[in-house]
Amino acid sequence: KQEVTQIPAALSVPEGENLVLNCSFTDSAIYNLQWFRQDPGKGLTSLLLIQSSQREQTSGRLNASLDKSSGRSTLYIAASQPGDSATYLCAVRPEDSNYQLIWGAGTKLIIKP
Amino acid sequence: NAGVTQTPKFQVLKTGQSMTLQCAQDMNHNSMYWYRQDPGMGLRLIYYSASEGTTDKGEVPNGYNVSRLNKREFSLRLESAAPSQTSVYFCASSEQGLWGNTIYFGEGSWLTVV
Repeated sequence: KQEVTQIPAALSVPEGENLVLNCSFTDSAIYNLQWFRQDPGKGLTSLLLIQSSQREQTSGRLNASLDKSSGRSTLYIAASQPGDSATYLCAVRPEDSNYQLIWGAGTKLIIKP
Repeated sequence: NAGVTQTPKFQVLKTGQSMTLQCAQDMNHNSMYWYRQDPGMGLRLIYYSASEGTTDKGEVPNGYNVSRLNKREFSLRLESAAPSQTSVYFCASSEQGLWGNTIYFGEGSWLTVV
């Protein structure tokens, strides 16, 4: 059974730092992996989607990498800002399902001004 | 743009009561989903609708029913609420499944069962 883990559960860093969030999964048979952002009291917003054949995706200050064979993905945030404070979740889509996402519990990120 | 709209935002129920969570999307998406989010856990899929007229069970369907009323609307019903159903519920939609398609979420419905 696929399991997705995000460590740490919470992270607090000063503004301006570059930081890395981690996501690991137990079964490498994935079709793609997505990173989402969740703000308090709000829904989730997709940030980056990496297909299983890709190694990384970039959007602005965000860069997500995928190492499918080792079951790991990282989300790199450059020059962090207080507005980046949110919970970041990763989710994998198994190869055998077009409708299922398996989610990590998220990392709550606080950027201190 | 409204995107995915779900109602109500907050609800308190007594054990045994029933209620329906409503969800509508205005993006002409074929696929819709209901998830629940509990503290310290990832989202879990309750039910999904691949397209209008179809519904299928997800990971945690027990205690819930769904209706895909039309292409826009997908409702989630709790027939006899239990404290274990206290959670935040999210409706979501995507153009056609998850073949590299972005999934869009509503803002959530906070449900407390006492």
